[in-house]
Amino acid sequence: GAVVSQHPSWVICKSGTSVKIECRSLDFQATTMFWYRQFPKQSLMLMATSNEGSKATYEQGVEKDKFLINHASLTLSTLTVTSAHPEDSSFYICSARQQATNYGYTFGSGTRLTVV
Amino acid sequence: GDSVTQMEGPVTLSEEAFLTINCTYTATGYPSLFWYVQYPGEGLQLLLKATKADDKGSNKGFEATYRKETTSFHLEKGSVQVSDSAVYFCALTDRAGGTSYGKLTFGQGTILTVHP
Repeated sequence: GAVVSQHPSWVICKSGTSVKIECRSLDFQATTMFWYRQFPKQSLMLMATSNEGSKATYEQGVEKDKFLINHASLTLSTLTVTSAHPEDSSFYICSARQQATNYGYTFGSGTRLTVV
Repeated sequence: GDSVTQMEGPVTLSEEAFLTINCTYTATGYPSLFWYVQYPGEGLQLLLKATKADDKGSNKGFEATYRKETTSFHLEKGSVQVSDSAVYFCALTDRAGGTSYGKLTFGQGTILTVHP
């Protein structure tokens, strides 16, 4: 079946540093990837949608310069949290949509980011 | 815009009890409907889906029927197990030109705890 690998699964960083999270589709091509943020005991909030080879589409209220998304290939998208602050601490989840398959969303296992 | 409303949790049941988690939606057009499950510290896994009215999605003893007249997609299971303890999310995606490239809209999630 479709597998999405998200790395790292957890990361602790200091305030002011940048953190990169990778999302890879291992056995399929993902033309579209989605990045979500999840606060404790809350639902997933879509941050942005990325299409391979083009700029990401950010949801309203999400800072483009802070959350840099790159989708350079059909199997890899990255989210970089720049100049991280404690309020950026959260659970980040990516999702990849299988090319030519309707409704085939596969989720990564998530990344727990803690900024100290 | 599209929205999904789930019954508030948490839901606590004894093993072998009957489970219902209500989900209603608001959407333009003809959305596809999903239930996802999230175990602690993990990403989301697709539990079941339905793509048109009166479709019934089923998996692992769970089932849900797409009810267009009541705009609902309630999740049910006849006999829950301790291993079903997780967070359950109802979600929808819109359709675009016969294929779905739309984003998923999630409900707020319902925490289910099953005791032995």
